Amino acid sequence: KQEVTQIPAALSVPEGENLVLNCSFTDSAIYNLQWFRQDPGKGLTSLLLIQSSQREQTSGRLNASLDKSSGRSTLYIAASQPGDSATYLCAVSLTGGGNKLTFGTGTQLKVEL
Amino acid sequence: GAVVSQHPSWVICKSGTSVKIECRSLDFQATTMFWYRQFPKQSLMLMATSNEGSKATYEQGVEKDKFLINHASLTLSTLTVTSAHPEDSSFYICSASRTREKLFFGSGTQLSVL
Repeated sequence: KQEVTQIPAALSVPEGENLVLNCSFTDSAIYNLQWFRQDPGKGLTSLLLIQSSQREQTSGRLNASLDKSSGRSTLYIAASQPGDSATYLCAVSLTGGGNKLTFGTGTQLKVEL
Repeated sequence: GAVVSQHPSWVICKSGTSVKIECRSLDFQATTMFWYRQFPKQSLMLMATSNEGSKATYEQGVEKDKFLINHASLTLSTLTVTSAHPEDSSFYICSASRTREKLFFGSGTQLSVL
């Protein structure tokens, strides 16, 4: 059974700092990995999607990397802003698993002025 | 971009009543939709896979008679929480996809059972 873990569970940083969120998964037979943002009481916003054959994806200040063999992904946020405050979730889909996602435990990020 | 609409956004009900949550894909046809549940400070857990025109597939530990799923059309799936109890209070969210690569999520429904 796929298990997805995220470290740290919570993070508080001053505005402008670069930060890294970590995600690990136990079954390396993934089809893709996605990073989502969730604001309190709201749905999910997809940030980045990395196919299993890819090493990284970038969008603006966000960069996600994937090391499938070691079962790890990182989300790098550059020059953090208060508007980045949210919970960040990583999720994996397995090869042959259709679009079923297994979500990580999440990292609650707070960027302070 | 593709949009998935979920209603209601929040609902408060008395214990023993049933609650229906709708999930609509607004600009694409979704043969498969997914229903997730999220308890406070926990991650999303897949409850079931909703298949258009056939029975839903439930994850282990999810009671199919309590969480009724209907996917009568290619754009609508509904989740009915029957005889809701306080322990069913949770955030319920649906997702739908056009392709294997891109999933779109509804805005979620916060259910509070008194």
